[in-house]
Amino acid sequence: AQKVTQAQTEISVVEKEDVTLDCVYETRDTTYYLFWYKQPPSGELVFLIRRNSFDEQNEISGRYSWNFQKSTSSFNFTITASQVVDSAVYFCALLISNSGYALNFGKGTSLLVTP
Amino acid sequence: GAVVSQHPSWVICKSGTSVKIECRSLDFQATTMFWYRQFPKQSLMLMATSNEGSKATYEQGVEKDKFLINHASLTLSTLTVTSAHPEDSSFYICSAKLSGSSEQFFGPGTRLTVL
Repeated sequence: AQKVTQAQTEISVVEKEDVTLDCVYETRDTTYYLFWYKQPPSGELVFLIRRNSFDEQNEISGRYSWNFQKSTSSFNFTITASQVVDSAVYFCALLISNSGYALNFGKGTSLLVTP
Repeated sequence: GAVVSQHPSWVICKSGTSVKIECRSLDFQATTMFWYRQFPKQSLMLMATSNEGSKATYEQGVEKDKFLINHASLTLSTLTVTSAHPEDSSFYICSAKLSGSSEQFFGPGTRLTVL
């Protein structure tokens, strides 16, 4: 079975703090993709990153960074120096390439950044 | 990047009426499109996989006679909620998979409110 767990339901931080959003996944497949999406109040999903199972390199994009660790089945997302505009719900998702390509989403983490 | 549109962006209807939601890939062909549903403060749940020229595959618990899916062309899939009831009120999001790739792109979503 495939499963994505985002244990943090809600996180509240003060602007300029760093924050890490956790994501743990389960799959028996060796080929899969992991994603992070941002969903602001408007509802539209904003794609942040896609990582395939064979690429464990960490990635940094501006204030965003991702830590992929296959040993712990985790794909954590860190926002450095958070800003109010980062307030949103963040979803981690798993795609199994041999099961139709639909995304299996975690329950999401609601991040609130206050001034 | 590839663009997926949804129409309408929001709709309010009376209980018992049918509502059609369109999902279009504007600048690429998509043999596969996915329909997700998101209730307030919850995650996205896959409803069905729509394949061009064939019948949709529905997830367990989704009534195929209530949620009619048609994928008549490589750029358009439609979801019709038949005899809508207040419990069908939700945010419906489609995604379109780029043919020959695992990449998929999400539409902006349609907010359905059934009175």
